[in-house]
Amino acid sequence: GAGVSQSPSNKVTEKGKDVELRCDPISGHTALYWYRQSLGQGLEFLIYFQGNSAPDKSGLPSDRFSAERTGGSVSTLTIQRTQQEDSAVYLCASSLGGGAGEQYFGPGTRLTVT
Amino acid sequence: AQKVTQAQTEISVVEKEDVTLDCVYETRDTTYYLFWYKQPPSGELVFLIRRNSFDEQNEISGRYSWNFQKSTSSFNFTITASQVVDSAVYFCALTPGANSKLTFGKGITLSVRP
Repeated sequence: GAGVSQSPSNKVTEKGKDVELRCDPISGHTALYWYRQSLGQGLEFLIYFQGNSAPDKSGLPSDRFSAERTGGSVSTLTIQRTQQEDSAVYLCASSLGGGAGEQYFGPGTRLTVT
Repeated sequence: AQKVTQAQTEISVVEKEDVTLDCVYETRDTTYYLFWYKQPPSGELVFLIRRNSFDEQNEISGRYSWNFQKSTSSFNFTITASQVVDSAVYFCALTPGANSKLTFGKGITLSVRP
């Protein structure tokens, strides 16, 4: 079956612009996660959705970052007023439920802020 | 607080050699789950294994084996008879289960030379 998909695969934006990153989880997966991977920081958790609610937003680095999930499916991560330090690969993952089910990752969106 | 340490940063072996990737974790939770993921050059994280804290039985899957020891807080991964296709970055991760956030180690870059 189809895996987790993310779009765009690459995004180059100018400092100060807003960007939206999209994640389509595996069909039927109720849990969705966003992570960020950068050279200096490794893999960092950003936010976790169970259905449409986000019980854990503890990893969002600043109030410029927000995310939503609609219909228990697609999720959008929005970064406002992008900064150069936002440059990273943004990874989305989904799993069947919360708890400790294995998470399946998408290919990521490589964001470059110039 | 949880922490995963992968002290080895880069390992280079010749094909057919056995190689062990080390993972040491810290958690105050009595229930937790450990994972290994593989990130090949294509970039997508691939799930390899999940282990819960109550099951210390070692697991073998083909050329892969995992050794979980609670006494030393370690969850090591051995590849037997390595192949060039095993070249990738390998991540160890931890979650308490009640909160699905994964805490990752920094990753180990494995290069298998022909």
